[in-house]
Amino acid sequence: EAGVAQSPRYKIIEKRQSVAFWCNPISGHATLYWYQQILGQGPKLLIQFQNNGVVDDSQLPKDRFSAERLKGVDSTLKIQPAKLEDSAVYLCASSSEGFPSYNEQFFGPGTRLTVL
Amino acid sequence: AQKVTQAQTEISVVEKEDVTLDCVYETRDTTYYLFWYKQPPSGELVFLIRRNSFDEQNEISGRYSWNFQKSTSSFNFTITASQVVDSAVYFCALSEARGGGNKLTFGTGTQLKVEL
Repeated sequence: EAGVAQSPRYKIIEKRQSVAFWCNPISGHATLYWYQQILGQGPKLLIQFQNNGVVDDSQLPKDRFSAERLKGVDSTLKIQPAKLEDSAVYLCASSSEGFPSYNEQFFGPGTRLTVL
Repeated sequence: AQKVTQAQTEISVVEKEDVTLDCVYETRDTTYYLFWYKQPPSGELVFLIRRNSFDEQNEISGRYSWNFQKSTSSFNFTITASQVVDSAVYFCALSEARGGGNKLTFGTGTQLKVEL
C-alpha cells in the first residue's frame, strides 16, 4: 500500500513570495491533515479535512495560509505571502476516518520550507 | 485545553542500555487517546502505539514497552536493550474524543541518541 505522498520535499523562497505544497493521501482515506512542525517543536495541526469539507482550521493563519481539497482526495496548502517565521516542515497525514479519535494517522515525509 | 509535556529534550545512551522516555499529559476529557510516534532523521512520523483512556494495561511489543498511569497522567515509553537504529526523535501525542475531529496534540519530543 502506497503511503502519503508530498511534494516538493524541499523549498527555499524569499519572504513575501508565495509557495504551495501538495499532498496525496493513502487511497481511500477520508480524513486529511496538514501540520506545521517548527524546528525543535512537535507538529501543530493547521487544518483537517473530512472528504472535501473542513473539520478544524482554528490554528490556520487565514490571512496568509489557505488550503483546499477539492475532490476529496489530493490537497494543496498555500502560503501567500510568506514570512520568516513560516520556515518549518509541513507534514501531511491521513486517516481512514476522523471518527472515532483513536484512528491512526499516517504521515508523509514532509516538505521543508526555508524562508529567507 | 489539552497539553502534552515531554520534559526530556535529549537523552544519550550506549547501545544495549535500557531507556525510558517520559510523557505527562493534561486533559479535561474522560475519554481520550494517547499515542507515541517515532521521527527518524528522514522526517517521516512513524506510529508506534495507541492507548485509550479506559485501558491501563501495560503493553509490550518486542523491545518496546509502555506504562500508562491515569493517576499520574503519564504514558511512559521504555526501550529495552537499545540499538543504534532507535536513534530518533520520539513524540507523545494526545487526542480527545470530542464531538468532531481527531486532532492530535503533540509534545515537544525527546531526541534519543544511541551510541556504540
